[in-house]
Amino acid sequence: GDKVKQSPSALSLQEGTNSALRCNFSIAATTVQWFLQNPRGSLINLFYLVPGTKENGRLKSAFDSKESYSTLHIRDAQLEDSGTYFCAAEGGFASALTFGSGTKVIPCLP
Amino acid sequence: GPKVLQIPSHQIIDMGQMVTLNCDPVSNHLYFYWYKQILGQQMEFLVNFYNGKVMEKSKLFKDQFSVERPDGSYFTLKIQPTALEDSAVYFCASSLGLGAETLYFGSGTRLTVL
Repeated sequence: GDKVKQSPSALSLQEGTNSALRCNFSIAATTVQWFLQNPRGSLINLFYLVPGTKENGRLKSAFDSKESYSTLHIRDAQLEDSGTYFCAAEGGFASALTFGSGTKVIPCLP
Repeated sequence: GPKVLQIPSHQIIDMGQMVTLNCDPVSNHLYFYWYKQILGQQMEFLVNFYNGKVMEKSKLFKDQFSVERPDGSYFTLKIQPTALEDSAVYFCASSLGLGAETLYFGSGTRLTVL
């Protein structure tokens, strides 16, 4: 099965609302990275996490290694938050990052 | 932030030909990686490279694949010969250390094998 399970697979983004993305790990994840892949395909680094939480503007992320999950919260969503969000964990195959299958965030037009 | 450059952004070649994908990693980074992404799906680890040698590789890193970084120039992924299933976006990444270090990714090279 998936070593990094991401949910939801897709999300409609309404401006001004809050959203939560989650990754569950079946590997012994030691660190987690979150990326945003924009519509052009580029991967943008959002967070690098050891167990704990980090906040950057409207984004906040947490990683709980004991319970084997990580979350990404988007506050006051904007259209530029659209794209596909990937989490990736270190701790599976040697030192390689194991990626989730992504959460596609799509703008919801009023 | 730190930038990893990949050249070219797109490459179209005929099946059976050789292709070389080039990556210019972050200047002081020591560890280099290639990942493969098919059609916007999840990224799959191919290989990592340090001090002139492959450190780890996955099952996706077929015998037709090779990597090198001659004299600190581009970090390259060569596929010879190419197959139709090699069509994908290939992402290069680099990091300062191994383990507990942020990976920085390039913007990818879209390879189409006809």
